[in-house]
Formats: sequence, structure tokens, C-alpha cells
Amino acid sequence: KQEVTQIPAALSVPEGENLVLNCSFTDSAIYNLQWFRQDPGKGLTSLLLIQSSQREQTSGRLNASLDKSSGRSTLYIAASQPGDSATYLCAVWENFNKFYFGSGTKLNVKP
Amino acid sequence: EAGVAQSPRYKIIEKRQSVAFWCNPISGHATLYWYQQILGQGPKLLIQFQNNGVVDDSQLPKDRFSAERLKGVDSTLKIQPAKLEDSAVYLCASSLRQVTEAFFGQGTRLTVV
Repeated sequence: KQEVTQIPAALSVPEGENLVLNCSFTDSAIYNLQWFRQDPGKGLTSLLLIQSSQREQTSGRLNASLDKSSGRSTLYIAASQPGDSATYLCAVWENFNKFYFGSGTKLNVKP
Repeated sequence: EAGVAQSPRYKIIEKRQSVAFWCNPISGHATLYWYQQILGQGPKLLIQFQNNGVVDDSQLPKDRFSAERLKGVDSTLKIQPAKLEDSAVYLCASSLRQVTEAFFGQGTRLTVV
């Protein structure tokens, strides 16, 4: 069974720092990987979707990379802001209809 | 474009009572998912529909949970009877089709007392 792990579980950084969130998965035969943001008491907001044939995707200050062979993805956030404080979740499509989530990294960006 | 709509936002019930949640996906999205998210954990898939057919319900506790998707659009998730451990946020998501980008609703926070 696919297992998705996110390390660290929590991260606190000062405003302006560049940071990297990690996501690892046990079965490299994935279709897509998607990064989400979740604010307290809210649903999930899609940030980036990386298809299995892609190596990275960028949106504004966010860059996500995918290395299927090593079972890893990273989410890079440049010039972090207090508004980036949230929980970040990654999820993988193991096959055509199974979508597994990690438990998330809770990010706190201090002003 | 309207997002995924869920109601109610919050619900408090006593154990052994029943409860139902409603989800309206993004128009045209064939795939609909219900997830359960316990505090501090990632979402866990309960059931996935493709149009009005069930694709995966392997993690749905079928002795107490049921779900249906009417005419391949709206969906309801029901719990009867509820247990204390069902306290969680129930998230509905939809995607254009399988393995495409998934969009989530705001969720329903259920507290069972």
C-alpha cells in the first residue's frame, strides 16, 4: 500500500526566508502528485499539480519538483511571508483511482 | 467559476444519532470524492464516484456510513449511527476526471458528543 510521508511535521521560520517542504512516497509508480494548502478550519486549496512525466511546476513564489525514481517531491517557497502560514499537504495518484495524502507540514512564518 | 459547495459547515450531534452531509461539485466534474480528516492527520478517502458509479469505497465503514451521488451530480454522505470516533472534518472534492487536478470544498466539521 502506498505511504506518503511529509517531514518535518512542523516548521517555523522568520519572514523572508526561502524554505523547502518534503514529501516522500513508497511506490514510485504514480500518475500525478498534487500539493495543497490548508488554512485552519478550511478546506484544501490546490497549489500545484505535477504530472508523472514532468519534473517540476512553478506558480509565483512556489516551485514543486518531482523525482519519481527516488519517491520524492519538494515544495520550495521563496521569500516566505506571514500569509504563507498554513498546513501544506502533498497527495499522490498511485494508480488511476487511488489518491493518497501525507499528514502535512504545518508552517509558521514569523513577522 | 463556482467551487465545490458543502453543507452544513458545522454539525454537533450525540452518539448514536444520524447525520447527513451534502456536496455539490464543480459543474462538469465527473469524479467526486468524500474524505475524512481527523485532527492532525491527512485526509483519508472514504468513497470515490465516477459519474454516479462507485469506483472505490474500500475504506468506507459500510456498517454505518453510506453515500450516493444523485444523477452523477450532487452527493450525500450519511452516518447512522454516529460514534465518538467519527468526529472529524468531512471533505468533498471533485475533478474533471480521474487523475486530474482535484478541488476541495470547505468541509463539514462534525463533532460527536
